[in-house]
Amino acid sequence: SQQGEEDPQALSIQEGENATMNCSYKTSINNLQWYRQNSGRGLVHLILIRSNEREKHSGRLRVTLDTSKKSSSLLITASRAADTASYFCAPMDSSYKLIFGSGTRLLVRP
Amino acid sequence: SQTIHQWPATLVQPVGSPLSLECTVEGTSNPNLYWYRQAAGRGLQLLFYSVGIGQISSEVPQNLSASRPQDRQFILSSKKLLLSDSGFYLCAWSPRGDQPQHFGDGTRLSIL
Repeated sequence: SQQGEEDPQALSIQEGENATMNCSYKTSINNLQWYRQNSGRGLVHLILIRSNEREKHSGRLRVTLDTSKKSSSLLITASRAADTASYFCAPMDSSYKLIFGSGTRLLVRP
Repeated sequence: SQTIHQWPATLVQPVGSPLSLECTVEGTSNPNLYWYRQAAGRGLQLLFYSVGIGQISSEVPQNLSASRPQDRQFILSSKKLLLSDSGFYLCAWSPRGDQPQHFGDGTRLSIL
């Protein structure tokens, strides 16, 4: 399978703590994107990191990419209850298709 | 600003009935359009994508078809639904292939 695989599958943390989600993939990539999905809703794009980038920040989000290890991580700092959602890693392959994994379900307890 | 509309939000259909799900995008022209299916607790599986009117690429052999009759309209269809067609169907658009995709709110399809 070429899909991104997130780890852990589920994560429960206290509000204010940091949340780290990891992703591994198998194919060569054009870029790698992270998405968020609230229950029963569509996906929302969070951040895109290109294959020649190693780190990117957006607000409380920090994404790293290691193409030699074919892995990425998403860090959410100072988590809030509203961050509760499923988070998906989606590597984009050379034909510009996003390959989604099964996601990490994040629960932030108030 | 650009918006994407997908309807209906939920649909319950009997086995063997036809299907038509519609997706429209506003505020942009010549978008790339995508149909995905998501099984419960799983990631998204790309079903079809389109880079222009009448241009449809199918990713997975199945009971479904897609059409793009207008620049910003993408339709997912079936002549006869199967139980295995149940799922959460999501439409998305992007300005070009290597850009982020923007998703609609999805249609939850239940087949009885």
